Amino acid sequence: DVLLTQSPLSLPVTLGQPASISCRSSQSLVHIDGDTYLNWFQQRPGQSPRRLIYKVSNRHSGVPDRFSASGSGTDFTLKISRVEAEDVGVYYCMQGTHWPWTFGQGTKVEIK
Amino acid sequence: QVQLVQSGAEVKKPGSSVKVSCKSSGGTFRNSGLSWVRQAPGQRPEWMGVIIPIFGTPHYAQKFQGRLTITADESTSTAYMALDSLTSDDTAVYYCARDHGHYGSGRYSLGMDVWGQGTTVTVPS
Repeated sequence: DVLLTQSPLSLPVTLGQPASISCRSSQSLVHIDGDTYLNWFQQRPGQSPRRLIYKVSNRHSGVPDRFSASGSGTDFTLKISRVEAEDVGVYYCMQGTHWPWTFGQGTKVEIK
Repeated sequence: QVQLVQSGAEVKKPGSSVKVSCKSSGGTFRNSGLSWVRQAPGQRPEWMGVIIPIFGTPHYAQKFQGRLTITADESTSTAYMALDSLTSDDTAVYYCARDHGHYGSGRYSLGMDVWGQGTTVTVPS
């Protein structure tokens, strides 16, 4: 199975400051159709996961534009331009290119 | 707006089975993929399998082949996940989620955009 490794595992951030999360894959996530199916999720405390980003950089409907993502091949990044209190939670990358789909181990974002 | 509502928490004995339901409302049930994802305490989510009700054929992660059964009842817009031969390692929150993927030749997933509230399954050791 494809292993997704996130860093850091814990990310204390000051309100209003930027945050960046890395997700590295054990193999290229370029699909045979040419697209890359790397997705990002947010899980707030006590809630179900919520999709933020699909196909590397496409924001899900209703996701604030302070969230952006990029990457290619095996290296991907999720960025929050200015962290707000509601952004506290655990962030997961997930690949939908190689069967079975797998998730990263998560990055916990907290306010300093 | 699509909503997924799951059945309540379960406590099961080792070796037994569990069946969790996921009722969909507010959308087109039969055309969308319905994935099941579980999350053990403090662990990363783990994708288990998917069903597209219009096709009826489930697809499973190899890890769960032989003891996982996913079904869908179009008449009630409800999907089910049954897991057999439970052990304490199966203690987790189980989620159903709408999956925008392609499950024919060249399958892929765009991730899950609508999630149920989760069902806690506890298997004491």
